[in-house]
Amino acid sequence: ETGVTQTPRHLVMGMTNKKSLKCEQHLGHNAMYWYKQSAKKPLELMFVYSLEERVENNSVPSRFSPECPNSSHLFLHLHTLQPEDSALYLCASSQDGAIYGYTFGSGTRLTVV
Amino acid sequence: AQSVTQPDIHITVSEGASLELRCNYSYGATPYLFWYVQSPGQGLQLLLKYFSGDTLVQGIKGFEAEFKRSQSSFNLRKPSVHWSDAAEYFCAVGGNNNDMRFGAGTRLTVKP
Repeated sequence: ETGVTQTPRHLVMGMTNKKSLKCEQHLGHNAMYWYKQSAKKPLELMFVYSLEERVENNSVPSRFSPECPNSSHLFLHLHTLQPEDSALYLCASSQDGAIYGYTFGSGTRLTVV
Repeated sequence: AQSVTQPDIHITVSEGASLELRCNYSYGATPYLFWYVQSPGQGLQLLLKYFSGDTLVQGIKGFEAEFKRSQSSFNLRKPSVHWSDAAEYFCAVGGNNNDMRFGAGTRLTVKP
């Protein structure tokens, strides 16, 4: 596989469930990102990992918990979500910051019921 | 702080017509500028990028963009739009750090 792969593509979960989103990059990049994309709102940066260390957390609620076990994998653990958390969650990776641009996965469409 | 403004939320053009999508940025140093395209239910795909040098950059799918420092703009153009170009387009600005800022996007509709 090449590029950035996100699984699952679609997820429906209840407010009391616990689930995880997975992202894998096969590009040898040294930074990975989670973005939230809601209807009619700009892309929201949630978390940044550079060299497997979290460097930014944009005041994201604690019900979202990221994990970066190595430079190729990024997870977003979800628990006790709210309906307003329904969105498209995008993972991206890059080499050396934003110089060369980001490579995005296809996203996970999350619906909280 | 860096920021990006895309003044047009939605644009409709006829197939075969020319296209220009506007982007204005704010950045303290020489910016790295990007245009991405997103089809429904998909991630963002990089169309083109500007770092330095020639201010007119060519991208994939026949797109080009021109960097104008004096106007803080990086507008995207295509001479003849195809129906498959219908999508959401995002302008972004970044630098050496891990902080790329995206505009709110412009949705392009192509009329037959």
